[in-house]
Amino acid sequence: GAGVSQSPSNKVTEKGKDVELRCDPISGHTALYWYRQSLGQGLEFLIYFQGNSAPDKSGLPSDRFSAERTGGSVSTLTIQRTQQEDSAVYLCASSLAQAFYGYTFGSGTRLTVV
Amino acid sequence: QQQVKQSPQSLIVQKGGISIINCAYENTAFDYFPWYQQFPGKGPALLIAIRPDVSEKKEGRFTISFNKSAKQFSLHIMDSQPGDSATYFCAAVPAGNKLTFGGGTRVLVKP
Repeated sequence: GAGVSQSPSNKVTEKGKDVELRCDPISGHTALYWYRQSLGQGLEFLIYFQGNSAPDKSGLPSDRFSAERTGGSVSTLTIQRTQQEDSAVYLCASSLAQAFYGYTFGSGTRLTVV
Repeated sequence: QQQVKQSPQSLIVQKGGISIINCAYENTAFDYFPWYQQFPGKGPALLIAIRPDVSEKKEGRFTISFNKSAKQFSLHIMDSQPGDSATYFCAAVPAGNKLTFGGGTRVLVKP
C-alpha cells in the first residue's frame, strides 16, 4: 500500500480483556517498529522487527505484551489482561533496511481501557 | 534514562516569527538526526534530517543546526505559519538501529 495502515483506529476495551492491534507496513519495508505514545507524551519504543525476527524487544513493558510478524509483512501487537495504564496511542512504523532512510508512521490505534 | 533531551515542552510564537526547538544527546554512536512533525490524530511524519558531518541543513523554512562537539542540535522554523502548529519530535539513531525520540515540543503559531 501507499502508507502504513493500522487497525483498528480506535479500540475501547474492558480492563482484563485481551486486545490485538494490527499493522500493515509499506510493501518492501523490511523493518517494522512499534511505539507507544501516552497522552501528551513522547514516543516510547516497544519492539523492532527485521523481517519476521525481533532482534530488539527491550521496550515491551511487561510479559502481557507480545508481538509477531508474519511473511515479513503484517505485524500484530497483543496485550493480554489489559490494564488502565495501557491506555495510549500505539504507533507502528516501517522503513527500508535501516532507520537511516527514515520511518513512515501509521496513524496509530488509540486504545482506551475502561 | 532519556538519551535525547528536548526543550521547550511547548512554544507559542506569532505568525511570521521564528520557532526554535533544541535537543541534546548523550550517545556518541548516534549518526542520524531526524525531526518529525505530528498533527493531532496522525502519526509523526519525517520533516528534515541531518548527518553529523554537516553543521546545517535547510529545507524551505525549516533549518537544522548541528553542533557535534556540544552534542546538540536544533530546529528553526522561519516565518512560522498557523499551519506549522503541531508537535515536533527530534530523534537520533545509531547505525542500523531504532530511533530514540525526544519528549516532543508542542508549537502553537498565533495568527
